[in-house]
Amino acid sequence: GQQLNQSPQSMFIQEGEDVSMNCTSSSIFNTWLWYKQDPGEGPVLLIALYKAGELTSNGRLTAQFGITRKDSFLNISASIPSDVGIYFCAGPSNFGNEKLTFGTGTRLTIIP
Amino acid sequence: DAGVIQSPRHEVTEMGQEVTLRCKPISGHNSLFWYRQTMMRGLELLIYFNNNVPIDDSGMPEDRFSAKMPNASFSTLKIQPSEPRDSAVYFCASTLTANRNQPQHFGDGTRLSIL
Repeated sequence: GQQLNQSPQSMFIQEGEDVSMNCTSSSIFNTWLWYKQDPGEGPVLLIALYKAGELTSNGRLTAQFGITRKDSFLNISASIPSDVGIYFCAGPSNFGNEKLTFGTGTRLTIIP
Repeated sequence: DAGVIQSPRHEVTEMGQEVTLRCKPISGHNSLFWYRQTMMRGLELLIYFNNNVPIDDSGMPEDRFSAKMPNASFSTLKIQPSEPRDSAVYFCASTLTANRNQPQHFGDGTRLSIL
């Protein structure tokens, strides 16, 4: 089945630094989604990408749909304490747009 | 607007007991998903429904797990008998599948501990 690998697995950064993380797939995706999960809560959608090469921003967050359609990137500028959490990429499976495959996650920790 | 509502938030029970997790999707959403999250395996889809009908249950671990959606506003995930390896956070999510721009909205999960 499809696999989504995220890197890095974890990040420890200082407040104010920029963050970059990526997600790679063993197969082509037509949609890329980035979710964030806060401790004790469910994942919340941050950004959705629908076209290869698309670059989309949501405040301090910017995500890109890779040209090969097998990868995606998420950047966070000027990190703040509330950015702490686990970031997941996700995309529809081969079996229909309703079923999502989730990545392994990148855990972000901000050092005061 | 009310989001996806799950209950209970936490459940601790002894192995062998029956466990029932509940989910109320967002009103108007026609697809509902049950996920399990563990450190080892991440976020896994167990089963999903479309218009109250189970579409894909290939992620359900074994016969001890069952899920129902008797109407558009309620679903249950049942484990009988429960085992320690079932300990995980179980999430329910819903979406309106007619619009691809509608993402899956997740509840806050049920943290299940089987002793």
